[in-house]
Amino acid sequence: TQLLEQSPQFLSIQEGENLTVYCNSSSVFSSLQWYRQEPGEGPVLLVTVVTGGEVKKLKRLTFQFGDARKDSSLHITAAQPGDTGLYLCAGVPGGYNKLIFGAGTRLAVHP
Amino acid sequence: ETGVTQSPTHLIKTRGQQVTLRCSSQSGHNTVSWYQQALGQGPQFIFQYYREEENGRGNFPPRFSGLQFPNYSSELNVNALELDDSALYLCASSPTGGTEAFFGQGTRLTVV
Repeated sequence: TQLLEQSPQFLSIQEGENLTVYCNSSSVFSSLQWYRQEPGEGPVLLVTVVTGGEVKKLKRLTFQFGDARKDSSLHITAAQPGDTGLYLCAGVPGGYNKLIFGAGTRLAVHP
Repeated sequence: ETGVTQSPTHLIKTRGQQVTLRCSSQSGHNTVSWYQQALGQGPQFIFQYYREEENGRGNFPPRFSGLQFPNYSSELNVNALELDDSALYLCASSPTGGTEAFFGQGTRLTVV
């Protein structure tokens, strides 16, 4: 069974701080996606990383895919209250179209 | 461009009853997947439909079934509801061959 473990589960920080969220697995994924989910809403896709070692930037968010395609990280610089939400990583197993989600990291950024 | 829409948004059912949830896919997307998200958890894959055929299934019992229609909209049916079926049910559509999922707002099902 392929699993994705996210850490930390909860993160409460002040506006302006930096943070990193980790997504780890013992399995290889053909690609990995990061989503953000607000209360009462469905997840919204932020980025897809495909190549081992790939780094993608989305404004203050930096996403990295591990060299072995088993892990990923999300780094947020100078967090803002608008970054508050549930961050989910999701892996795509090779040969399948389903997504395997981690349990998520709940981020709260206080003004 | 119309996004993924789900109905109803909230539903309360009694244990043992049956429920049908509906999903309209995003324009141009012919693949629909259903996920169950329990409180405090990430979404769990239930099954996927492509061109009206089931195209992969997660670890859910047969009382979870689905349909996809010629216009690519989809239904999720759950029979003999159990208390543990209480969750947010998410529908996601994808373009042909694509892995990126575009989610609806979900249906919050409560079983009492």
